[in-house]
Amino acid sequence: SAVISQKPSRDICQRGTSLTIQCQVDSQVTMMFWYRQQPGQSLTLIATANQGSEATYESGFVIDKFPISRPNLTFSTLTVSNMSPEDSSIYLCSVEGTGTSIIFGPGTRLTVL
Amino acid sequence: RKEVEQDPGPFNVPEGATVAFNCTYSNSASQSFFWYRQDCRKEPKLLMSVYSSGNEDGRFTAQLNRASQYISLLIRDSKLSDSATYLCVVSSSGYSTLTFGKGTMLLVSP
Repeated sequence: SAVISQKPSRDICQRGTSLTIQCQVDSQVTMMFWYRQQPGQSLTLIATANQGSEATYESGFVIDKFPISRPNLTFSTLTVSNMSPEDSSIYLCSVEGTGTSIIFGPGTRLTVL
Repeated sequence: RKEVEQDPGPFNVPEGATVAFNCTYSNSASQSFFWYRQDCRKEPKLLMSVYSSGNEDGRFTAQLNRASQYISLLIRDSKLSDSATYLCVVSSSGYSTLTFGKGTMLLVSP
């Protein structure tokens, strides 16, 4: 199965700034996704990163706040823009696994002060 | 009603015990079911898919009850290394419909 790496693994940021998270996969994949896991909450899908077109965002998430790039079949970035403390969370990149399961990257732990 | 509900636990069991978790889901159109395991400060990892006929993988047994809309995970002969949070995941159609429960924490003690 695919191996996913994410950078940075963690960061502490000031409110009002932006952070770009990178996701690299060791093989070409069709589907890439970005999830958020807030403390004590379930994993929530932010968007599907589409290669060559705009990402597909889930309800409650917008492109201005979470711009996503997907320049090829092995790489994607998620930017968390104009951050506030409420954006403190773990952000996880994921790709298709077997059947309709998915494989997660190691995550980026973000703290916004 | 929440889409996927799990008892958050923690379930505290001694080594060698048998423990079972249930998960209920609200969408009767759900087609795919999974159990993921998440260790502290790590990403979730697929433990097993859940099939209509039930399935077993070593010490782990998963079952699906469509009529009552729940899935279960049974762990036999618990090991210390089984300590983790177990996430129930349900999907109606495709990756974007994957819905995660908040997880059940299991603590296995010596």
